[in-house]
Amino acid sequence: ELKVEQNPLFLSMQEGKNYTIYCNYSTTSDRLYWYRQDPGKSLESLFVLLSNGAVKQEGRLMASLDTKARLSTLHITAAVHDLSATYFCAVVEIEKAGTALIFGKGTTLSVSS
Amino acid sequence: DSGVTQTPKHLITATGQRVTLRCSPRSGDLSVYWYQQSLDQGLQFLIQYYNGEERAKGNILERFSAQQFPDLHSELNLSSLELGDSALYFCASSPPGYGYTFGSGTRLTVV
Repeated sequence: ELKVEQNPLFLSMQEGKNYTIYCNYSTTSDRLYWYRQDPGKSLESLFVLLSNGAVKQEGRLMASLDTKARLSTLHITAAVHDLSATYFCAVVEIEKAGTALIFGKGTTLSVSS
Repeated sequence: DSGVTQTPKHLITATGQRVTLRCSPRSGDLSVYWYQQSLDQGLQFLIQYYNGEERAKGNILERFSAQQFPDLHSELNLSSLELGDSALYFCASSPPGYGYTFGSGTRLTVV
């Protein structure tokens, strides 16, 4: 059974500093997604990583994928308050029927000045 | 507006009752997925339908069922509701290939 683990689960950040969230998954997958969720809201797609070594950047967020290590990282550069939210990584288990995303537990970021 | 429409947005009902949640996927998307989000369990995959057929099952209780209709909208039926079923229920849709779009969710409160 595919397991997706994120760490840390909570991250208290100071404005202007850099941080990294880690996402490990347990079985082979060729697609990894990052989503953002604000409290009580829906999930907003941030990145889709489709191949080993893929790197994508949007503003202060950069995501990368290492399929050999089954690891993705989400790097935050110079944190700002607007980044406070919960971030989820999700993976599709390619050896199973269906194409459902399996999510990690999420990392809740809180940015303070 | 993501293009995935869920109704109702909020639902309050009593234990033992039955409710139906509705989802209309983005135009052209054949797959519909249902997820349950609760504080203790996180985002749990329940079930996937593809073009009217069940494609995959996740952690869906026997009291829950779903279907996808010819016009591709989907309904999630929750019966014999318990307090622990209180959660945010999301529907997502995807085209062939990749990319998943989530609806705004239905917040179910069982009292």
